[in-house]
Amino acid sequence: SQQGEEDPQALSIQEGENATMNCSYKTSINNLQWYRQNSGRGLVHLILIRSNEREKHSGRLRVTLDTSKKSSSLLITASRAADTASYFCAPLMNRDDKIIFGKGTRLHILP
Amino acid sequence: GAVVSQHPSRVICKSGTSVKIECRSLDFQATTMFWYRQFPKQSLMLMATSNEGSKATYEQGVEKDKFLINHASLTLSTLTVTSAHPEDSSFYICSARLVRGAADEKLFFGSGTQLSVL
Repeated sequence: SQQGEEDPQALSIQEGENATMNCSYKTSINNLQWYRQNSGRGLVHLILIRSNEREKHSGRLRVTLDTSKKSSSLLITASRAADTASYFCAPLMNRDDKIIFGKGTRLHILP
Repeated sequence: GAVVSQHPSRVICKSGTSVKIECRSLDFQATTMFWYRQFPKQSLMLMATSNEGSKATYEQGVEKDKFLINHASLTLSTLTVTSAHPEDSSFYICSARLVRGAADEKLFFGSGTQLSVL
């Protein structure tokens, strides 16, 4: 198992703007997942991108993966107040890997 | 989507008592469940992996006699914090693995249990 490292640790943007957060990891992966955690709640799975994919979309979310740089980015377009949360990436070396979470990115959407 | 139910959502207990937290997968069978704990403003720390019908696998530094995990069925895993002390106060979260295909795997999380030990 490996832990992803999210960057930045905290991000504040105006509502309506786009938010970009990054994830770096150390060893090759089978897939990389992004999760969101609202304060005091469990995590919600957002999107999964496989190692042979470079980009994936889901609604206002866009995830990219660069396996040569061992990095991924999560873009949230047209941010809303409800997007205020912590975001975690989870690089998995294989499908049975346990998920070790990093510190995450705390996103705050300003009204 | 798959639902994981965790309860209680909040529990306050006296020091020395034991607390049981339940985690149920409501509409799918979960052969593997994971237990995490989270301190305020910190990340989730994996405590143990719970496999149905077998002993849990604990992460380094987690006392197995302190945190008893039972995964007796494909839809239920329980975490019992034995002889709880104030330092055990934390947010405990369970998750279950949903496997849909050879390369598609996600975790679904319960809503967490806030444990406060007085």
